[in-house]
Amino acid sequence: AQSVTQPDIHITVSEGASLELRCNYSYGATPYLFWYVQSPGQGLQLLLKYFSGDTLVQGIKGFEAEFKRSQSSFNLRKPSVHWSDAAEYFCAVVDDKAAGNKLTFGGGTRVLVKP
Amino acid sequence: NAGVMQNPRHLVRRRGQEARLRCSPMKGHSHVYWYRQLPEEGLKFMVYLQKENIIDESGMPKERFSAEFPKEGPSILRIQQVVRGDSAAYFCASSPGTGRISEAFFGQGTRLTVV
Repeated sequence: AQSVTQPDIHITVSEGASLELRCNYSYGATPYLFWYVQSPGQGLQLLLKYFSGDTLVQGIKGFEAEFKRSQSSFNLRKPSVHWSDAAEYFCAVVDDKAAGNKLTFGGGTRVLVKP
Repeated sequence: NAGVMQNPRHLVRRRGQEARLRCSPMKGHSHVYWYRQLPEEGLKFMVYLQKENIIDESGMPKERFSAEFPKEGPSILRIQQVVRGDSAAYFCASSPGTGRISEAFFGQGTRLTVV
C-alpha cells in the first residue's frame, strides 16, 4: 500500500524567508501527488498537483513543488513567506489502482510564521 | 458555484447518542469521500461512495459507523452510540465521475465533540 511521510511536524520561519516542506512517498507506479493547505478551523484547499510532465509544478499563492522520482519526494517551496501562510500543510497521493480518487495523506507539517 | 457543503459545522453529542453528518457535493460531482481527522493527526480515508453505492469502505470502523449517498439528497455519515474517541473533524470531498484521476474538493468539515 502507498504511504506518505512528512518528516517535519512543525516548522517556524520568519516572514519574508524561504520555506521548504518535505514530502516522501512510497508507491510503486507513477504517483499522483497533491499538496493541500488547511487554515485553522477550515477545510483543505488544493495548492498544486502533479500528474505527469514537467517535474516542477506551480501552484496558487506563490507555491511550487518539485517531483523527484529518484528520491521519491515531492517537496513544497515558497521563496518568501507571508504571515498568512501560517497553516498546516498536507502532502497526499492517489492510488490509481484503487477505485476513484482515494487520497492517502501525510501527517502534516504545521508552519508558524514569525514577524 | 457552491463548493462542497457540509453541515453542521459543529456538533456536540453526549456519549451514546447518534451523530449525523451531511455532505452535499459540488454541482456535477457524483463521487463522495469521507475522511476523519483526529486531533493533531492527518486525515484518514473512511469511505468512498457514488450515488446509491458504497465503492470502498476499507477505512470505516467495523461497528457503529455507516454511510450512504442516496439518489436524491446529501451523503450522510452516521455514527451510532458515539464515544469520546469519535471526537474529531470529519471532512467530505467530492470529485467528478469522469473515470480519471482528478482533484478532490473538500468541504469545511464537521467538528464532532462527544461529551
